[in-house]
Amino acid sequence: GQNIDQPTEMTATEGAIVQINCTYQTSGFNGLFWYQQHAGEAPTFLSYNVLDGLEEKGRFSSFLSRSKGYSYLLLKELQMKDSASYLCAVRDITNAGKSTFGDGTTLTVKP
Amino acid sequence: GAVVSQHPSWVICKSGTSVKIECRSLDFQATTMFWYRQFPKQSLMLMATSNEGSKATYEQGVEKDKFLINHASLTLSTLTVTSAHPEDSSFYICSGGGPSTDTQYFGPGTRLTVL
Repeated sequence: GQNIDQPTEMTATEGAIVQINCTYQTSGFNGLFWYQQHAGEAPTFLSYNVLDGLEEKGRFSSFLSRSKGYSYLLLKELQMKDSASYLCAVRDITNAGKSTFGDGTTLTVKP
Repeated sequence: GAVVSQHPSWVICKSGTSVKIECRSLDFQATTMFWYRQFPKQSLMLMATSNEGSKATYEQGVEKDKFLINHASLTLSTLTVTSAHPEDSSFYICSGGGPSTDTQYFGPGTRLTVL
């Protein structure tokens, strides 16, 4: 099975940088995803990591360490619109390729 | 990116009735579609996985006779909530994945309220 842990809530200031961590345990790792979900809306894809290292995409970056079962999502130059829930999801090759979602981290950006 | 639509976006129904939710991949062929349910302030819970032309695989605890899933084509999957009860009120979200995609693309979700 899979066990995914991420902080429940985080608060940061507009213009700052915030790092959201995700740790996981899985028997057949086959990729880690980060999604953003605003209240009342469906998740939108942010990033995908399958190899170790940092993937940068604009203000958002995602890092993966497979040996440590660890990932983080880094958000730079925070904007008010970044206030949302951030979901970490892990795909398991032994589980028919399905992704399991963490409970999400609710980020509040304050002026 | 790939686009997935859902219809309706919200529905209110009486207890005991059935509701059908459609999920369409608009610009790619979704060989696999996933149906999720999300209660307020909780994460997405996978209900079932459907592959085009075959029976859906349901997660443990999900009643297959209550939540009927049909994936008749590479662009359409439907979820029918039969004999709906108030506890079925939730946000239902589908997502599609194709053979050449590394990720799932989510539909906008359907908010179901059962009175």
